[in-house]
Amino acid sequence: QQQVKQSPQSLIVQKGGISIINCAYENTAFDYFPWYQQFPGKGPALLIAIRPDVSEKKEGRFTISFNKSAKQFSLHIMDSQPGDSATYFCAAMSRGYKYIFGTGTRLKVLA
Amino acid sequence: DVKVTQSSRYLVKRTGEKVFLECVQDMDHENMFWYRQDPGLGLRLIYFSYDVKMKEKGDIPEGYSVSREKKERFSLILESASTNQTSMYLCASYMGVRNLYGYTFGSGTRLTVV
Repeated sequence: QQQVKQSPQSLIVQKGGISIINCAYENTAFDYFPWYQQFPGKGPALLIAIRPDVSEKKEGRFTISFNKSAKQFSLHIMDSQPGDSATYFCAAMSRGYKYIFGTGTRLKVLA
Repeated sequence: DVKVTQSSRYLVKRTGEKVFLECVQDMDHENMFWYRQDPGLGLRLIYFSYDVKMKEKGDIPEGYSVSREKKERFSLILESASTNQTSMYLCASYMGVRNLYGYTFGSGTRLTVV
C-alpha cells in the first residue's frame, strides 16, 4: 500500500501548548520519514526527518517519534507559538526518492 | 540554498487549452518532481524525472505530460486543460543525502481552468 494516513485534519492549540500530529503507513519498504511545514502562499519546506532505525529525533521544539512495529510516526511541537500556525505534512520515502505525502494538518496556535 | 523557481504564481486558462508550467532549479540536481496539491488530498505525485530526457509516471499522470530537455528545467504540460485540473501545482527538486534526503519546493502555481 502506498498510502500515508495523517490525522487530525485540523488542530487548534493554545500558545505554549503541545501540538501533536500523527501519521501511519502500511508499506514496510518506506525508508525515510520527513515532516514538511507550509505557510500560505509558499511551497512546503522540510522541517525535520527521521530514519526508521531511530525511535526519536529532536530539533529545538520539534520532535519526531517513530514506532516501527506499529508503522506510525508523529510530530510533537512543544511550547507551540502563533508563528507555528501552518499546514504540516508527513511523508514517507519510496523508491527513486519519491515521497508519498499525508493529507496535511492545518495547525492554528492561538495567541 | 537551493532555489526552485516556478515561472507563474497564478494562471487562468480555458478548457481545452494546452498549458505549460515551468520549473527551474539552480543546483544541478538530477531528480525533479511535479505534485498537485488539493485540500484534503495532500500532495499527489504527477510525474518525476531522474535525469535529462528521463521521466516516470507518478500516481496521477492522466492528462499530463512532462519535458526535461535540460537538467535544470522540468516542465509540466496539460495537453488539453480541463476544469478538474484546477489546482495548486508544486515542483520539487531532490536535495540528496547531505540535506536529509529532502526536497526543495517551488512556491507553486495556482492554476484555474475555466
